[in-house]
Amino acid sequence: EVQVVESGGGLVQSGGSRRLSCVASGFKFSTYWMSWVRQTPGEGLEWVANIGAGGSDKYYVDSVEGRFTISRDDAKNSLYLEMNSLRPEDTAVYYCARSDQKGSVDYWGQGTLVTVSS
Amino acid sequence: VVMTQSPISLPVTLGQPASISCRSSHGLVHSDGNTYLNWFQQRPGQSPRRLIYKVSNRDSGVPDRFSGSGSGTDFTLKITRVEAEDVGVYYCMQGLYWPWTFGQGTKVEIK
Repeated sequence: EVQVVESGGGLVQSGGSRRLSCVASGFKFSTYWMSWVRQTPGEGLEWVANIGAGGSDKYYVDSVEGRFTISRDDAKNSLYLEMNSLRPEDTAVYYCARSDQKGSVDYWGQGTLVTVSS
Repeated sequence: VVMTQSPISLPVTLGQPASISCRSSHGLVHSDGNTYLNWFQQRPGQSPRRLIYKVSNRDSGVPDRFSGSGSGTDFTLKITRVEAEDVGVYYCMQGLYWPWTFGQGTKVEIK
């Protein structure tokens, strides 16, 4: 069974840092693109970052470029999101998702909540 | 790329059909011939679940009462007969241009 499980969320002060993790199981992790997507009550769903199989291709939404870093450790079947210089508007539930094909994702985790206080 | 859904709220009687529209600010046809438009369902308290990819391809396990159609910039998700388990928010999403973007969501509720 395919599963992705996020962790690392919590309360952090504005300007602070947080590292999110996502552990995958049930599929050959190293061969899939992976994504981070966030959801806020007011702004809906927003794509944050994608990383290619192998880790060399990375894409970020403009609002996090230079502050967030997506990475992966295929030996640990793990995806990461390093978040620096956090802002209150980064407050959201962060989902890890598997990309099974170009232009889409199929499996999502349960999400981890990051709250940035001002 | 801006994805615009309508309506935002959709009260439906059980057993009746429902239709959600999604319009993209840019055409979603890739040079490979595919159109990268997806539909997701988010039930209350759950993560999003993909229903449809590339306009009209239903995911495994998705009931055949769900169907997707459209082309270019205009797309539609239809539910032939709404059931209680269909309550939730439905999102269209384009996967052609980075960053991938979602519509604002359509909340389906039972009248």
